[in-house]
Amino acid sequence: GIQVEQSPPDLILQEGANSTLRCNFSDSVNNLQWFHQNPWGQLINLFYIPSGTKQNGRLSATTVATERYSLLYISSSQTTDSGVYFCAGPETNFGNEKLTFGTGTRLTIIP
Amino acid sequence: NAGVTQTPKFRILKIGQSMTLQCTQDMNHNYMYWYRQDPGMGLKLIYYSVGAGITDKGEVPNGYNVSRSTTEDFPLRLELAAPSQTSVYFCASSPGLTLRAFFGQGTRLTVV
Repeated sequence: GIQVEQSPPDLILQEGANSTLRCNFSDSVNNLQWFHQNPWGQLINLFYIPSGTKQNGRLSATTVATERYSLLYISSSQTTDSGVYFCAGPETNFGNEKLTFGTGTRLTIIP
Repeated sequence: NAGVTQTPKFRILKIGQSMTLQCTQDMNHNYMYWYRQDPGMGLKLIYYSVGAGITDKGEVPNGYNVSRSTTEDFPLRLELAAPSQTSVYFCASSPGLTLRAFFGQGTRLTVV
């Protein structure tokens, strides 16, 4: 199956700072997704991004499928951005269809 | 606009007990999934379904069973609970494997 690596594993920033989170895949991936797990454990789908760039307010994501990576940008970070960010890609392996998740980047925004 | 709804939110089980985690979605999605998330870890797939009447095992199916009698509902059954099943369980749905997935709020299960 595909391997998903996320970096950095942990990131601590001051409120107002910008950040870039990276997701690397071991094989080509179609339709990558980014999720935010807030401190209460809820998983929110941030982006569904087959390729190119998408923006939603202070967040944007870029996927370069041919080079097997995606980047999540957070600008002017706020304390509510804290949590764990996961990327995930669809995988069909021996008939097992699933979203394969990375191990996540834990982001802590300090007031 | 309910989306994916899981019940219960919290549960404590004794070793050997059984329970069913409920999951329902109102988006008419064909694909539904059950994941577990152990503390500080990512998500591992337990079972998934591509439509009513069709289910299949994921990475970690042992100790669990599922059924999918309707498009909306995808319950997860734990038989003979063990401490290793202490985890947070997430149900998710999507229109298709390569399409956007939505998650429920999770069920935090502790087996003592």
